[in-house]
Order: sequence, then C-alpha cells, then structure tokens
Amino acid sequence: GEDVEQSLFLSVREGDSSVINCTYTDSSSTYLYWYKQEPGAGLQLLTYIFSNMDMKQDQRLTVLLNKKDKHLSLRIADTQTGDSAIYFCAENGGGSYIPTFGRGTSLIVHP
Amino acid sequence: EPEVTQTPSHQVTQMGQEVILRCVPISNHLYFYWYRQILGQKVEFLVSFYNNEISEKSEIFDDQFSVERPDGSNFTLKIRSTKLEDSAMYFCASSDSGQGSNYGYTFGSGTRLTVV
Repeated sequence: GEDVEQSLFLSVREGDSSVINCTYTDSSSTYLYWYKQEPGAGLQLLTYIFSNMDMKQDQRLTVLLNKKDKHLSLRIADTQTGDSAIYFCAENGGGSYIPTFGRGTSLIVHP
Repeated sequence: EPEVTQTPSHQVTQMGQEVILRCVPISNHLYFYWYRQILGQKVEFLVSFYNNEISEKSEIFDDQFSVERPDGSNFTLKIRSTKLEDSAMYFCASSDSGQGSNYGYTFGSGTRLTVV
C-alpha cells in the first residue's frame, strides 16, 4: 500500500529557514499536501502541490516536488516561533483519492 | 472561517464499553471522514462517507466500528466494544470534493480516546 515517511523532529533557530522532508511511495499521486497542526487544534491545510508541478511558492512557504525520487519538501523562510507545530505530509493516489498521511514532523523554533 | 467541531475533546472509557464520538462537519460539505492517530504513529484513514453510505473503509474499520449521519448536521463514529488498542486521537474531516482537490480536507481538533 501507499506509504509516507517523515522525520519526527526538526529544531531551528528563529529567523533561520526550516526544511521539512517527506518521501512517499505512490507514483500515481495527484495532489500532495502539507498540513499544520498547532497544539490542541486539528490539522489545517497549509499548502498543496499538483503532481505535474515541480515547485510552488506561497509567501514564506516553498514546496519542492521531485517525482523521480518521490520526495516532497516544505521550506519555511524566516521561521518564527509561531511556526512551531507538527507538519504532516500527505498524498492522494492509488485510485481512491483518500490522502495517506505521514506521522508528522514536530518543528521546534527556539530564540 | 467554517470549522469542523468534534465532541468530546477527551473521553475515557473502560475496555468493552461502547463509545460514540461526535462530529459536526462544515454545513455545505458532502464528504465526511474519520481518521485516527495512535500516539507516535501515523494518521490513519478509517472510513469515508458520502450520500448516507460508506464509500471507502480501511482494514482498521472492522465490525466493531460503525458510522452514522443521524440528522442533517452530525456525523458519528461508534466503537461497539472498545479495546485498549483503540486508544488514540480520532479526527473527523469533511470536504466538498471526493476526488481530491486543492482545498484538501477540513479537520476537527480531535477527540482523544483513552481506553482503560
């Protein structure tokens, strides 16, 4: 079945860039997503990329997709303490369109 | 901004008891979902629901689980006889499209179920 893998933790200093990486196995993915979960809240869609794109930029966020290596990354420029959260990578594919999620990367931003 | 609301936020239950987790999806959404996340593990798909019936379910969603839309606003997940391994955070989600979209899903903040 489909699988999505992410590292569990990332710690960065405020003002630096953060790069959260994700690998997936399903080559038929249509959309790939990044969700953000703040403490006590649900998963919130942060950004997405369609599978025929290589890059998408949205203000401080840059999503890079390498379809050959099945690698997705999320870069957050000028990381702030408010960016501290769990970031989930997800992809939909396999014919069902139901997103498959990773286990989330905890981003810790320290002063 | 429209929200998906889940109640209760925490539920503690004894093994073997029945629990019902409740969700109010976004009012104009037509597709509803339940996911769960066991502590430290991945967010796992349980079931999707459309037009008053299950459209897809995972291997996790066995006969102990059921879903219902009892009225025009609520969407419930029932676990008939809870087991210790059912302890997890349960997320409800809704979407306006069943075929994946650039809007993704809107998730509730979850119900933490603890089975003792």
